[in-house]
Amino acid sequence: TQLLEQSPQFLSIQEGENLTVYCNSSSVFSSLQWYRQEPGEGPVLLVTVVTGGEVKKLKRLTFQFGDARKDSSLHITAAQPGDTGLYLCAGESGGSNYKLTFGKGTLLTVNP
Amino acid sequence: EPEVTQTPSHQVTQMGQEVILRCVPISNHLYFYWYRQILGQKVEFLVSFYNNEISEKSEIFDDQFSVERPDGSNFTLKIRSTKLEDSAMYFCASRRTELYEQYFGPGTRLTVT
Repeated sequence: TQLLEQSPQFLSIQEGENLTVYCNSSSVFSSLQWYRQEPGEGPVLLVTVVTGGEVKKLKRLTFQFGDARKDSSLHITAAQPGDTGLYLCAGESGGSNYKLTFGKGTLLTVNP
Repeated sequence: EPEVTQTPSHQVTQMGQEVILRCVPISNHLYFYWYRQILGQKVEFLVSFYNNEISEKSEIFDDQFSVERPDGSNFTLKIRSTKLEDSAMYFCASRRTELYEQYFGPGTRLTVT
């Protein structure tokens, strides 16, 4: 069974601070996706990383896939209250069905 | 921008009743999925569907569950005899073959009383 561990589980910071959340596994994934989920809504895709060592930037968000494709990180620069939400990582196992294995998420609160 | 839609947004049912959750995937997508999320827990894979058949199912997806793509646009999840522990958010997702991303619908909140 593939597992994804996200840390920290909760993070509360002040506006303007930087933060990093981590997503770790002992399993290799063919790709890893980051989603953001608001209460009572479905996960919204932020980015997909595919290649080991890959770095992708989305405005103030930087996503990195580990060289061995077992871990990933999300770094937010100068966090804003609008960044508040649940951040989920999900690994794709490849094969013929491409199902996703999700972590439990990091609940980020950015205080003004 | 195309999106996955789901109906109803909230379904309340009594234990033992049958429910059907409906999804309209993105039109040119070929792979379809159902996931569920029990309150406070992580999103869990239920079943994947491709080429009009189930390609993989989890241990959660027992004989009480079934999926169907009846008309080429809708994708449904049926629970034949609901249990209290089936209460959860159910998410439909779809993807194209050549892209990696799965796109999720807004979910159906199922409450079994």
